[in-house]
Order: sequence, then C-alpha cells, then structure tokens
Amino acid sequence: EVQLVQSGAEVKKPGESLKISCKGSGYSFTSYWIGWVRQMPGKGLEWMGIIYPGDSDTRYSPSFQGQVTISADKSISTAYLQWSSLKASDTAMYYCARSETGIFGDWFDPWGQGTLVTVSS
Amino acid sequence: QSVLTQPPSVSGAPGQRVTISCTGSSSNIGAGYDVHWYQQLPGTAPKLLIYGNSNRPSGVPDRFSGSKSGTSASLAITGLQAEDEADYYCQSYDSSLSGHVFGTGTKVTVL
Repeated sequence: EVQLVQSGAEVKKPGESLKISCKGSGYSFTSYWIGWVRQMPGKGLEWMGIIYPGDSDTRYSPSFQGQVTISADKSISTAYLQWSSLKASDTAMYYCARSETGIFGDWFDPWGQGTLVTVSS
Repeated sequence: QSVLTQPPSVSGAPGQRVTISCTGSSSNIGAGYDVHWYQQLPGTAPKLLIYGNSNRPSGVPDRFSGSKSGTSASLAITGLQAEDEADYYCQSYDSSLSGHVFGTGTKVTVL
C-alpha cells in the first residue's frame, strides 16, 4: 500500500525554527515528486512547492518562495518542510502528497494525514 | 487568492444531482492542462476523486463524474448521499505561475 506518514503536531513560538517530515512507503520514493500543501484554519488548499527526491529538484510557488525550504533524504524515503523563523501567520495544517504524472498535468495521490503547526507566543 | 474559482457552496436533497464549477483562464485550464478534483471530509486529509478531467480512481463511486470545456471544468454528483457532505477542490497547472493551483473550494451540503 502506498502511504505517506507525516510527523506529529507542533506548537512553537514566533521566531523559532521548525522542520516537519513526510515518510513515504510502498513505492519507489525516488521516482515520484512530493508536494506540500498549506491549509490555514477554515480556509482552502494552497500549493506551496514540490520536490523530486531522486535528484532533489525543487520548485516553489511564488507565494512561498523564500518563506520555506523543501528538502528530501532519499536514504530514508522522507521529505521535509522547514521554516527558519516562524510567524503567527504560519499557523495551519500542512499536507504532503505524492504527485502522479499525467500527459497534460499532474495530480496528487495519496495524501499524508497532515501536520498541524501552531505558532503562538 | 486562487486563480481557479469555485462557488462557495452548493446544496441538494438526498438523491438529487448537484454540480460544482471550476473556472480558470488561458494560462491554466484554457491552456489544455488537465483538471483534477479532491474531496475533503470534515477533519480529514483531501482525497483524490477525479483525475485527468474525467477519470475515477479505483474505489470512487460512479456517482461522481468530471468534465472540462474551454476554460472551465465541472464535477457532478448524482444520487446525492449524506456521506457526500464535504469540501471539494479542483486543481490544475498554471503556466504563468509555473506551478500547481487549487480552486477556492466548494462546500456541499446535503439537505
């Protein structure tokens, strides 16, 4: 079974750093892109960026470029999303999802269970 | 702000048919990029519902169907059931943004 398992909920203070993870299993981790999606409380889905673990090629949404860093460690089939200095506005649920490639566009399946990040003083 | 626009909400009685629109532009849906749909039940992660405009993954009931025309796409739910009450999102690729984009989301309420 293809599965993505994310790290647990985090509570942080503004200015702190954070790295959350997404571990893939049941497939060749290096052969599929992994994307990250933000969902702020009561809001919709926002695509943040995507990484190809095979060569660490990474693309960011213009809205998130410079705000977060996406990385991967293929030796342990894990992708990461990190912040160097959190803000209260980073409070959200973060999902990772495997990207499936189609001829005219890619879709996301499956999704991780989500990691809730709360930033509060 | 999303580049794919959906109605905030739609509702219907059990057994009825509802449709959700997803309106884009010439840099995404109109450029020929496929549209995909996700269902997000309350308190859970999104789940793929339709891929490649009209294809259903294994396990998705045939009550769900998708279509695309021009700069828009639609998701139809026939024989609406109480368990279909959820948020639904469309997704595509945008060449101007060089990245994936999601729709604004639609809440489906079963009356």
